[in-house]
Amino acid sequence: ETGVTQTPRHLVMGMTNKKSLKCEQHLGHNAMYWYKQSAKKPLELMFVYNFKEQTENNSVPSRFSPECPNSSHLFLHLHTLQPEDSALYLCASSQTSGGAGELFFGEGSRLTVL
Amino acid sequence: GQNIDQPTEMTATEGAIVQINCTYQTSGFNGLFWYQQHAGEAPTFLSYNVLDGLEEKGRFSSFLSRSKGYSYLLLKELQMKDSASYLCAVMDSNYQLIWGAGTKLIIKP
Repeated sequence: ETGVTQTPRHLVMGMTNKKSLKCEQHLGHNAMYWYKQSAKKPLELMFVYNFKEQTENNSVPSRFSPECPNSSHLFLHLHTLQPEDSALYLCASSQTSGGAGELFFGEGSRLTVL
Repeated sequence: GQNIDQPTEMTATEGAIVQINCTYQTSGFNGLFWYQQHAGEAPTFLSYNVLDGLEEKGRFSSFLSRSKGYSYLLLKELQMKDSASYLCAVMDSNYQLIWGAGTKLIIKP
């Protein structure tokens, strides 16, 4: 069983909907990440939180809004998305950011925007 | 710009050996990672190389040459469960991970 849990696993939404993705890590890590994974493309880093503070926003459109209430939970709020936002959204955690430690990934939330 | 290159897809036979190459051009270097990702599952850590040479871990080995900007992942005694995507990632001088697009490995009986 993975130490990083993501819900929902699958989500279909219209362009006018508002939804949220949730990530929870049970590893005692202090850094959490959102990545976007599209077919045959490299993982795209979206946001990084270190000790609940956002340390990286990789020029992500404002229709994606992250929230990190504590070191164990991370949310990605979605609104007025576009069809090209359809992808697998992966959450990951590590001991801290900015170091050479490995990432622990969740299984992802498969998002389809109609 | 920063770039990681790895083959899109490879096919190998059960019981054989396969080598997945990764070449990189990055701003500095603080280590190279390999991850395995089965379809519909989370990527999982396989190996980390920061010094030149070969690191062996069971059936899997990872090699690094920093002067050539080159790494490979060697899988021996292939099993059907090794069918997965293999992701190469380099940590640059700012400790940012630069990812390759992944290599889909298909194992045939």
